[in-house]
Amino acid sequence: GAVVSQHPSRVICKSGTSVKIECRSLDFQATTMFWYRQFPKQSLMLMATSNEGSKATYEQGVEKDKFLINHASLTLSTLTVTSAHPEDSSFYICSASGGGRTEAFFGQGTRLTVV
Amino acid sequence: GENVEQHPSTLSVQEGDSAVIKCTYSDSASNYFPWYKQELGKRPQLIIDIRSNVGEKKDQRIAVTLNKTAKHFSLHITETQPEDSAVYFCAANSPGNTPLVFGKGTRLSVIA
Repeated sequence: GAVVSQHPSRVICKSGTSVKIECRSLDFQATTMFWYRQFPKQSLMLMATSNEGSKATYEQGVEKDKFLINHASLTLSTLTVTSAHPEDSSFYICSASGGGRTEAFFGQGTRLTVV
Repeated sequence: GENVEQHPSTLSVQEGDSAVIKCTYSDSASNYFPWYKQELGKRPQLIIDIRSNVGEKKDQRIAVTLNKTAKHFSLHITETQPEDSAVYFCAANSPGNTPLVFGKGTRLSVIA
């Protein structure tokens, strides 16, 4: 399968600061990347869809000014959690698709803890 | 949009028994149905998938069935082992670069 690399795997930040998470497709061109959030013992919930070179599409209830997504190239998408609060603590995971594949390939995920 | 329902939310089986997890979907345009296994703190791992032009697919102890008319699909694990214990998610998506929509997950416990 294709390789999607996500960094960092774990981050602890202070309330009010911003955190950037990177998602890279290493061996294929990801025309579309998806960002999910997973709270403990819950399923993966789609936050936004980003297409290379265009603005992300956010799901209802997800603040676009708080969760900034940039997909400037076919191999990199970033999610920045701005002015993080403890309730933003969660497992954030990206997936990428493209190159004619239907399957989505997941990054390793980022465990964000806001203190 | 697509809505995926998954049952049961928890499932305990004795080692060696079979486990069955069921999902339903709402969007008749959906044509790809993967199943993921997720261990604590890790990314979901694809274990098997099925496309809408196929009714059943098997890979060793794991099989998936799809009923397009009824819009449901199921995961079957035979001869379960303790290492099968994890959370399993079904998902569905429609053609094109559309996101996977996940079920709520099933926590499977295999008791030795």
